[in-house]
Amino acid sequence: DQQVKQNSPSLSVQEGRISILNCDYTNSMFDYFLWYKKYPAEGPTFLISISSIKDKNEDGRFTVFLNKSAKHLSLHIVPSQPGDSAVYFCAATSYSGAGSYQLTFGKGTKLSVIP
Amino acid sequence: DTAVSQTPKYLVTQMGNDKSIKCEQNLGHDTMYWYKQDSKKFLKIMFSYNNKELIINETVPNRFSPKSPDKAHLNLHINSLELGDSAVYFCASSQDLGPRETQYFGPGTRLLVL
Repeated sequence: DQQVKQNSPSLSVQEGRISILNCDYTNSMFDYFLWYKKYPAEGPTFLISISSIKDKNEDGRFTVFLNKSAKHLSLHIVPSQPGDSAVYFCAATSYSGAGSYQLTFGKGTKLSVIP
Repeated sequence: DTAVSQTPKYLVTQMGNDKSIKCEQNLGHDTMYWYKQDSKKFLKIMFSYNNKELIINETVPNRFSPKSPDKAHLNLHINSLELGDSAVYFCASSQDLGPRETQYFGPGTRLLVL
């Protein structure tokens, strides 16, 4: 049962253009969303996050948009650079009891930025 | 300096063997995690520990036993390895258990069971 879905396994974008990565979720209890970036043979690294009370968060070239009614979020990268080529994971936080929270990840989207 | 480190990076072993994966973090964090990324690329939580105490224990076979000797270490011991245990195992840590805590991941341990 996938609670966080990234339906595009891969995406190719020309350098300098905008990359848009999409993520849908089904669990209405998710209240905090994150994007992680992963290079081959490395662990995921945190990129950007957004609280459910916001609809947009921006950090340099990266912007995350949240549409709660549609249970959809997206990550925009502009302009895209070759170093952005990586797998991007969407993740969501939910309460798991005993005062703890856990992350649920999507399957990831592999972004390739073509020079 | 590596923030979250795992050893070994690669592990090839036979079915039925027992193996351990070690994880150390030098960030001074209170909470550590083990995740499994299977062949379908899903990254799923297995365990989380806070101040050396087990907090989350997802549905994993009891052949998997985490051990936290201190706050900086969370090791994963696997008994009687099976083919289906082949995966990449990631250790992570965060300052504490809060919902907005950023998790920092290690580089992963690629386990192949033959």
